[in-house]
Amino acid sequence: EAGVAQSPRYKIIEKRQSVAFWCNPISGHATLYWYQQILGQGPKLLIQFQNNGVVDDSQLPKDRFSAERLKGVDSTLKIQPAKLEDSAVYLCASSQTLLAGGQFFGPGTRLTVL
Amino acid sequence: ILNVEQSPQSLHVQEGDSTNFTCSFPSSNFYALHWYRWETAKSPEALFVMTLNGDEKKKGRISATLNTKEGYSYLYIKGSQPEDSATYLCAFNYGQNFVFGPGTRLSVLP
Repeated sequence: EAGVAQSPRYKIIEKRQSVAFWCNPISGHATLYWYQQILGQGPKLLIQFQNNGVVDDSQLPKDRFSAERLKGVDSTLKIQPAKLEDSAVYLCASSQTLLAGGQFFGPGTRLTVL
Repeated sequence: ILNVEQSPQSLHVQEGDSTNFTCSFPSSNFYALHWYRWETAKSPEALFVMTLNGDEKKKGRISATLNTKEGYSYLYIKGSQPEDSATYLCAFNYGQNFVFGPGTRLSVLP
């Protein structure tokens, strides 16, 4: 079974630039999560999708972050414009169901904002 | 805001030593407690999903216990090996939401 795919693996941009990350979940997984992991902290949920609908985006900084999951499969997360404090690892995860099922993670995208 | 804590923050042990970490979480609205191992440059890997008070799970040299009434879980590694070096994350699952702890970074020295 193929795992969760993410790209790019690494990205370096300057502040005020835009950046987009892509995630392809495990086939058949209805729930998709985007997390932000800042060095020294645990992953923080940014947005959670169930199929192509948003379940929770309460911690997404909507003035600069956006995410979509067209057709309920792949997802993209965008930051525009980026700030220095956005430097982090962005993890995508998927699970079969909304409740309690273990999440399967992608390798993450390490973003550095200069 | 729910708070999940892990201790210690980091740990250095010698190869062959046994070690354990703690995850503390709210004792209300409990659904499940997840443990993950996250090696550098790799995807976080699920170790255990624990749902019942008193649960004990084991996978090779790694085991975990769960106390939902007092809100803690222990992860044990017996006879640590260099390949156990990683960050160990716990995640508190309440309904459809997950809150992660900050992790314990383990370094096993040969």
